[in-house]
Amino acid sequence: DQQVKQNSPSLSVQEGRISILNCDYTNSMFDYFLWYKKYPAEGPTFLISISSIKDKNEDGRFTVFLNKSAKHLSLHIVPSQPGDSAVYFCAASARNSMNYGGSQGNLIFGKGTKLSVKP
Amino acid sequence: KAGVTQTPRYLIKTRGQQVTLSCSPISGHRSVSWYQQTPGQGLQFLFEYFSETQRNKGNFPGRFSGRQFSNSRSEMNVSTLELGDSALYLCASSLGGGLKDLSYEQFFGPGTRLTVL
Repeated sequence: DQQVKQNSPSLSVQEGRISILNCDYTNSMFDYFLWYKKYPAEGPTFLISISSIKDKNEDGRFTVFLNKSAKHLSLHIVPSQPGDSAVYFCAASARNSMNYGGSQGNLIFGKGTKLSVKP
Repeated sequence: KAGVTQTPRYLIKTRGQQVTLSCSPISGHRSVSWYQQTPGQGLQFLFEYFSETQRNKGNFPGRFSGRQFSNSRSEMNVSTLELGDSALYLCASSLGGGLKDLSYEQFFGPGTRLTVL
């Protein structure tokens, strides 16, 4: 059973507009969330993260919103640029869960959303 | 600061063989995690090492094992290779200690592409 879901496998956006990537999770023990960007033949690159004690975190053009009651988070990219075209992965971690043996090293990833930004 | 490095970048093996992959974390990072990426299953957690001890393990068979050395470098071993083991194997490092948010940000290497024939 997938604990982290990215229901849109792909998204196409015009340059300069907003890109919104969505992610849903099922495990209420998750308390830390991260977004990664991945280009072909490269490892994922960390973008931005958010702790469950916050509902928003902003870094330049990237903003992550967390809605704990809905178990939903989203990544907003404004304005979108052609260089943003990549696969975006949402990941979650249960930092303080004994079910994870107290380990913080276990990230659960969604299957990714391929973003295409058209010039 | 140098990033996470993985060797080799590409590997071709045949069924039944065994393979060892290597990962050097970012300097100062004590946690190393391994992931398997396949088109069907996405990124799946294999295991994590911190201070030479395995702290957490995903749902993979015992053919997958790892270790970490005193300099935080890590190796992953897969024995008795199967066709389904063909994948991109990614290593990620993080500070790994304490409860500060920065400890949990994992930085990935470029991966080792393993092909099993």
